[in-house]
Amino acid sequence: DAGVIQSPRHEVTEMGQEVTLRCKPISGHNSLFWYRQTMMRGLELLIYFNNNVPIDDSGMPEDRFSAKMPNASFSTLKIQPSEPRDSAVYFCASSSRTGGSTEAFFGQGTRLTVV
Amino acid sequence: AQSVAQPEDQVNVAEGNPLTVKCTYSVSGNPYLFWYVQYPNRGLQFLLKYITGDNLVKGSYGFEAEFNKSQTSFHLKKPSALVSDSALYFCAVRDGKGSGNTGKLIFGQGTTLQVKP
Repeated sequence: DAGVIQSPRHEVTEMGQEVTLRCKPISGHNSLFWYRQTMMRGLELLIYFNNNVPIDDSGMPEDRFSAKMPNASFSTLKIQPSEPRDSAVYFCASSSRTGGSTEAFFGQGTRLTVV
Repeated sequence: AQSVAQPEDQVNVAEGNPLTVKCTYSVSGNPYLFWYVQYPNRGLQFLLKYITGDNLVKGSYGFEAEFNKSQTSFHLKKPSALVSDSALYFCAVRDGKGSGNTGKLIFGQGTTLQVKP
């Protein structure tokens, strides 16, 4: 398997623009997580899905952030409008509930810079 | 509330010496505990996990961790550190209550390990 795939790897955008980050989880995994990593706040859980259903979005910082998982093989995290303080590395991770496997596997991340 | 604490921002050890990176946790149910490592400009890589059974778990690259229920700790250890072990290490916990492996996965703040030659 290719692992968790995130795109784009880098994104530079101007303040006020819409940004969409994409994630393809590992095939067969049923949980998907979105995290944000910054020097100041570390690794924050934004939202997670089980079986394509959002379970906990309490980490989403503001209404400007939204996430969807229309099917088992694709998820998006959207920021509209973007602000400079949204600059961070965004990670997607997936995990499986079968076979006693519980660890999450991470993508390479999307480095977002809002100028 | 579910939480993870890594009390040290940085740990410095000499190559060949044993290393310990500390982690304590809080969950309402049984804890599923994990250690991950992150190298610069990379995603997090899974090292090892504790779900149940033997309190001492072994993982990748010679790392091991000891689950201590009474102290709610899950410290990462390695008998002999290598310079190449220098990286950012994260402890994580998932609440095993209910269906166990479908809860949120929460990470500590991370500990930078610096191994000097």
